[in-house]
Amino acid sequence: GAGVSQSPRYKVAKRGQDVALRCDPISGHVSLFWYQQALGQGPEFLTYFQNEAQLDKSGLPSDRFFAERPEGSVSTLKIQRTQQEDSAVYLCASSLVGTGGRSSNQPQHFGDGTRLSIL
Amino acid sequence: GNSVTQMEGPVTLSEEAFLTINCTYTATGYPSLFWYVQYPGEGLQLLLKATKADDKGSNKGFEATYRKETTSFHLEKGSVQVSDSAVYFCALSDRQGAQKLVFGQGTRLTINP
Repeated sequence: GAGVSQSPRYKVAKRGQDVALRCDPISGHVSLFWYQQALGQGPEFLTYFQNEAQLDKSGLPSDRFFAERPEGSVSTLKIQRTQQEDSAVYLCASSLVGTGGRSSNQPQHFGDGTRLSIL
Repeated sequence: GNSVTQMEGPVTLSEEAFLTINCTYTATGYPSLFWYVQYPGEGLQLLLKATKADDKGSNKGFEATYRKETTSFHLEKGSVQVSDSAVYFCALSDRQGAQKLVFGQGTRLTINP
């Protein structure tokens, strides 16, 4: 596609429900990132994939958060037993190449995000 | 760990005014530095970047210079327009590992005609 696509744009869930957020990266992009952006704050890193391998999940706030990218393209971020503090915009970004070397400065392209509200 | 500190907003200017948004960073090694912009109702877009000391990134009349000695990457524009109204984020990425971005808290800029 032309850009990173995220769905849904808006999600409202009751506390305790499970949610799944989808990211379609730019075709051919190797790297995929998830970020969480609280209201009035900058995005914070959650997790990173290179193709289908999840190489860094150090930013996931708890074991209720789980991400996958089984075929190295589309990724899903799942939040189980949602809490009110999970309310945020979840951003997905992709970039062309993997880690390290001179190519490590490829820019990340962001989707418009999914705004999650937990009631 | 790595961190980015931005000038707090909101910032309100008149059209054609000079803009500076301060950004300083703390990092191990030699990070790459970025400015991202978020226009109302849109996603984050890369505005400019610099990958080594003394590099100047520029785009759409905006400039920022990578200053290693002061660990800064201040954003400047000589004459702002109403269309520049947006939220601006300074960010860094480590050259090693996952290149994950570390963002500042963002600065909301409003330009009045």
